[in-house]
Amino acid sequence: AQRVTQPEKLLSVFKGAPVELKCNYSYSGSPELFWYVQYSRQRLQLLLRHISRESIKGFTADLNKGETSFHLKKPFAQEEDSAMYYCGPGASGSARQLTFGSGTQLTVLP
Amino acid sequence: SAVISQKPSRDICQRGTSLTIQCQVDSQVTMMFWYRQQPGQSLTLIATANQGSEATYESGFVIDKFPISRPNLTFSTLTVSNMSPEDSSIYLCSVEEDLSYEQYFGPGTRLTVT
Repeated sequence: AQRVTQPEKLLSVFKGAPVELKCNYSYSGSPELFWYVQYSRQRLQLLLRHISRESIKGFTADLNKGETSFHLKKPFAQEEDSAMYYCGPGASGSARQLTFGSGTQLTVLP
Repeated sequence: SAVISQKPSRDICQRGTSLTIQCQVDSQVTMMFWYRQQPGQSLTLIATANQGSEATYESGFVIDKFPISRPNLTFSTLTVSNMSPEDSSIYLCSVEEDLSYEQYFGPGTRLTVT
C-alpha cells in the first residue's frame, strides 16, 4: 500500500527547544508531499511543500528519498506552534494515491 | 491562495435522511476535492470533482452514497445519502491551484447523524 506514516500521535517540547515531526512514506516514485497544519479552531492549511525549500514560520522539511522521509523541523519551538500537523500528498498528480498521515499533535510547553 | 467557504458549518441529521454540503471558491479552479475526517482519524479522500465530467471516486466510496455535482469552476456539492451514524464526520472541501499542486481546504462541515 502507498502510505504516509506519522509515527507520533503526540509530541511535547519546551519553548525554545528543537522540534522534529516525523513523516515516512512508502511510494515507488517521487511523491509530491506537503505539511499541513491545523491550529485550534481553525481550518486545515498548507504549511509547506517539499520542493519549496523555503522556511515557513521557521519550519523546514526535506524530502529524503533514501530514507523515504519528509520530516518537519524547527530549531526553536514557540508556544504558537502548538497545533495538529499532517503530512500528506497534494490532491492530484502522482502523489494522489498516497494517504494522509494520521497527524501529530504538537504541544509546546512554556 | 484560494478562499473556500462551506455550508452548512455543522448539522445534526436523522438516520435515513440526506444532507447536501456546498463548497464555494472565490476563484476558478479545475480541481476540487471532497474529504472525510472521522473522529480521531486522518483525512480520507472521497472523490475528485472536475467541472464538466463525472466525479472520480476513491476506493470505498460510491456515487449512490455520495453524489457530487460540479456545475462550474467555483462551486461543488457533496450529498451524503441515506445517512447512518457511521457517516458522522467532518467533511472537507479542498481545491488545488493549477500547476502548483498546492491544496487549500474549506472550514469543514461537521455532520452528526443520530
